[in-house]
Amino acid sequence: AQSVTQLDSHVSVSEGTPVLLRCNYSSSYSPSLFWYVQHPNKGLQLLLKYTSAATLVKGINGFEAEFKKSETSFHLTKPSAHMSDAAEYFCVVTGPHTGGFKTIFGAGTRLFVKA
Amino acid sequence: DAGVTQSPTHLIKTRGQHVTLRCSPISGHKSVSWYQQVLGQGPQFIFQYYEKEERGRGNFPDRFSARQFPNYSSELNVNALLLGDSALYLCASSLVEFSGNTIYFGEGSWLTVV
Repeated sequence: AQSVTQLDSHVSVSEGTPVLLRCNYSSSYSPSLFWYVQHPNKGLQLLLKYTSAATLVKGINGFEAEFKKSETSFHLTKPSAHMSDAAEYFCVVTGPHTGGFKTIFGAGTRLFVKA
Repeated sequence: DAGVTQSPTHLIKTRGQHVTLRCSPISGHKSVSWYQQVLGQGPQFIFQYYEKEERGRGNFPDRFSARQFPNYSSELNVNALLLGDSALYLCASSLVEFSGNTIYFGEGSWLTVV
């Protein structure tokens, strides 16, 4: 079985400062992990994904995430926040589930960026 | 190329009615999955279909059903609508069903049950 926990429901940063959005996962199998972003009234856009290759994954818009198996974590970071980064971020795990596959979303982290 | 398209974008239904939501995957994608996103929460997995067969089901009642057609498009049906079914319904497609495949989402169908 898989599960994903986003440790912060809200994160507030100032423009130009680093961003850290935390995600812990649980999986009986080697997981595939994703980060998606959802801007207000928009669909979900893929930021990056981990699929058992390099543990440090680089995504779009300067975001990156590091897969740490020992800590079962997949935290999302960005060195310098921009106003346009304000959105809802979802950590996602996919994997085998009873004859098929299942996709599990975290509850989301709302990122606020202050000018 | 067109992305995942969903219809209708918005609809209002009355309690007890039935609704059908439609989804066209990205061309060449054979896997379609459905999610329910209640306001303020993360999307919840409802179904996954691959090659017209159900391959995964989330914890939703039997009032929810879906199917995938030979052209890989899909329908989500919800019977006997409840107020709590009001949500954004997202469809996603991927090339194949393997867990490492990127899932591409549509803009969703906003369902309001009154």
